[in-house]
Amino acid sequence: SQQGEEDPQALSIQEGENATMNCSYKTSINNLQWYRQNSGRGLVHLILIRSNEREKHSGRLRVTLDTSKKSSSLLITASRAADTASYFCATDEWYSSASKIIFGSGTRLSIRP
Amino acid sequence: ETGVTQTPRHLVMGMTNKKSLKCEQHLGHNAMYWYKQSAKKPLELMFVYNFKEQTENNSVPSRFSPECPNSSHLFLHLHTLQPEDSALYLCASSQDQQGLYRTGANVLTFGAGSRLTVL
Repeated sequence: SQQGEEDPQALSIQEGENATMNCSYKTSINNLQWYRQNSGRGLVHLILIRSNEREKHSGRLRVTLDTSKKSSSLLITASRAADTASYFCATDEWYSSASKIIFGSGTRLSIRP
Repeated sequence: ETGVTQTPRHLVMGMTNKKSLKCEQHLGHNAMYWYKQSAKKPLELMFVYNFKEQTENNSVPSRFSPECPNSSHLFLHLHTLQPEDSALYLCASSQDQQGLYRTGANVLTFGAGSRLTVL
């Protein structure tokens, strides 16, 4: 089934720098979501971008979507130690008029103080 | 607190044990999900229930048996598991699986997970 693939798998940056994570997917989508997971915990929804949108902002988060390239990016500006987590993109897969959410393998982000 | 509560948070069991994981949501959602998260692997969707009806079984071995008695509760019954079943089991809920039609989105709310170790 369709699956987002995040790049890079791991990213380590200095506090205050910007972090960019990329996601590629395989088939047409209605929307793409980004989730965050702190170590050993559940995922938390961050932001959703619809297929007819190209860019979306939420606080320090900026998401872009390029449906022609089947890719999305998540930018976290002015990173903080608390941003250390894994970040996942997720796409919807349709079957029998219902959707299921399929996740990629994630990017592990570490913020160095 | 996300509104989705999973118990127990940690479980250690032998291969011959029978145990259950429980998930409860207080969000008024109608769809509930079980995902499995193993080390260095993507989240695997296991089961989906929409309005108490199972709508997805992603080729999960029969040693995992889900139960959804109502839209607020979801169980995962475990029996004769293997060590490779050790993982973080995540429960999630959403408005419903047809949410996409109304809002254009199916957004999941997750519990904190149940860490399962099979000896």
